[in-house]
Amino acid sequence: EAGVAQSPRYKIIEKRQSVAFWCNPISGHATLYWYQQILGQGPKLLIQFQNNGVVDDSQLPKDRFSAERLKGVDSTLKIQPAKLEDSAVYLCASSARQPEAFFGQGTRLTVV
Amino acid sequence: SQQGEEDPQALSIQEGENATMNCSYKTSINNLQWYRQNSGRGLVHLILIRSNEREKHSGRLRVTLDTSKKSSSLLITASRAADTASYFCATDYGNNRLAFGKGNQVVVIP
Repeated sequence: EAGVAQSPRYKIIEKRQSVAFWCNPISGHATLYWYQQILGQGPKLLIQFQNNGVVDDSQLPKDRFSAERLKGVDSTLKIQPAKLEDSAVYLCASSARQPEAFFGQGTRLTVV
Repeated sequence: SQQGEEDPQALSIQEGENATMNCSYKTSINNLQWYRQNSGRGLVHLILIRSNEREKHSGRLRVTLDTSKKSSSLLITASRAADTASYFCATDYGNNRLAFGKGNQVVVIP
């Protein structure tokens, strides 16, 4: 079974630039999550989709972050414009009916 | 915030010893899960315990849950060098929403 795929693995941008991350969940998984993990901290949920609907985006900074999951499959997370404090690893995860989440390798973003 | 918090946050042990980590949370949960993260990698699910369970085992892992104290512990027995990683507890507080703690860094010395 293929795992959660994320790209790119690494990204370095200047502040005020925009960036997009892509995630392809495990086939058949209805739930998709985006987490932000700052160095030394635990993952923080940014947004959770159930199919192509949003379950929870209460911690998504909507003035600069956006996410979509077209057709209920893969998803993109965008930051525009980026700030220095956005430097983190962005993790995508998916789950089926069971509550365990399967994580991708993450995208490490550095904003300079 | 629903975040769990692990205690202690850093642990260094000799191979063969047991490692114990604790986690506390704030409100009611459906289940509590433990994940492992190796440096630079994604998180891997280890074990899940439901709110009506008190103890669960999986291989060398033993997890307990005390809902009256809103706390959980993860025990790794007979640790190996390959167990060196960060360990996170995550609480499911409904609709499969997971809130993660800050993590425990465990170093197993060969």
